[in-house]
Amino acid sequence: DAKTTQPTSMDCAEGRAANLPCNHSTISGNEYVYWYRQIHSQGPQYIIHGLKNNETNEMASLIITEDRKSSTLILPHATLRDTAVYYCIVRRRANDYKLSFGAGTTVTVRA
Amino acid sequence: NAGVTQTPKFQVLKTGQSMTLQCAQDMNHEYMSWYRQDPGMGLRLIHYSVGAGITDQGEVPNGYNVSRSTTEDFPLRLLSAAPSQTSVYFCASRVSGTEGQPQHFGDGTRLSIL
Repeated sequence: DAKTTQPTSMDCAEGRAANLPCNHSTISGNEYVYWYRQIHSQGPQYIIHGLKNNETNEMASLIITEDRKSSTLILPHATLRDTAVYYCIVRRRANDYKLSFGAGTTVTVRA
Repeated sequence: NAGVTQTPKFQVLKTGQSMTLQCAQDMNHEYMSWYRQDPGMGLRLIHYSVGAGITDQGEVPNGYNVSRSTTEDFPLRLLSAAPSQTSVYFCASRVSGTEGQPQHFGDGTRLSIL
């Protein structure tokens, strides 16, 4: 599975969009990009996933570059409840029940 | 709808003691997994199961045993606890067959080995 690189931390103002980058330059054609988050002391929560097209759901949008070497998770209107560690994971779909979490990005939303 | 339930939520053990961490899900999910999370780090996969009677090792299986006799339950056993096993343990489940479905996580068991 391809390695991912995320910034260690970032701040965001409440009500503004939060853009979380992820680099996965060694991603292969059959690997998906998944995003999970972990709010303090809770179990991880699934956010969104995609292959090559941009995806949107009720929580966030996922923008994947045309060469698929990087992606951005967008939280359109960040709230204080979005403060969490966000994990970008690359995995072949057939193996996505075996997720490998890195250190992630600690996102702090400030009032 | 309970989802994934882990018990106990907290546990303190002495070195050498044994115990079983319980995980149960009521969503009829075939796939279940155990992860551990050490302070300041991401989750690491310990063991996983793709259905009753089938288990396999993840990244860090040493010191842990699992079994899957029913679809609902996936217990994790520490045979002889060591301080290095102090961690937060998460159980997860997801449906089989439909790829790309999200994993559902429990709230974790916080385990300290003295």
